[in-house]
Amino acid sequence: DAGVIQSPRHEVTEMGQEVTLRCKPISGHNSLFWYRQTMMRGLELLIYFNNNVPIDDSGMPEDRFSAKMPNASFSTLKIQPSEPRDSAVYFCASSFTGASTQHFGDGTRLSIL
Amino acid sequence: DAKTTQPPSMDCAEGRAANLPCNHSTISGNEYVYWYRQIHSQGPQYIIHGLKNNETNEMASLIITEDRKSSTLILPHATLRDTAVYYCIVNDNQGGKLIFGQGTELSVKP
Repeated sequence: DAGVIQSPRHEVTEMGQEVTLRCKPISGHNSLFWYRQTMMRGLELLIYFNNNVPIDDSGMPEDRFSAKMPNASFSTLKIQPSEPRDSAVYFCASSFTGASTQHFGDGTRLSIL
Repeated sequence: DAKTTQPPSMDCAEGRAANLPCNHSTISGNEYVYWYRQIHSQGPQYIIHGLKNNETNEMASLIITEDRKSSTLILPHATLRDTAVYYCIVNDNQGGKLIFGQGTELSVKP
């Protein structure tokens, strides 16, 4: 079975550019999570959706970050404009609603120069 | 903030049991103990969870003390591929966010 699919796997861009990260959750899962991992802060939740509706976005660092889930099989995390401190690995995870067993993708390694 | 405390690192000899401790002294009655691991350059992977009874699956065993203030994850025969960061998380099993602490970096050595 296909797991959580993230794209791209690696992204290198210059500061000020718009960055869009993509995630396809496991089919049938109706909760989706975006996490960010850095050496300094570890693994932290940015936002999560239930049935395509954002439930908790308290982890989104600032207005430069936005996330959407237009349908059950696709989500995006956008950074505009990007800054060097946004460099991190971004993970997407999905689960059944009400379940705490989350399935993670392999992440997107983002470098902002 | 994470509600768990774990040692930052541990070593284990290949083929031996790896016992990873976790303290969660403020755990609530409706909270479960979850374990995930993260192998280098991969996303976290669910291992096992439990409420108060000991649990075992194909990957590991989970031993929870009677007062539920601590637990131990046991990998019965550690292999080199078990080298990873192991995270202990408490969660009410109602879905929602997982709060990851710093975890324990387990190194399995030949």
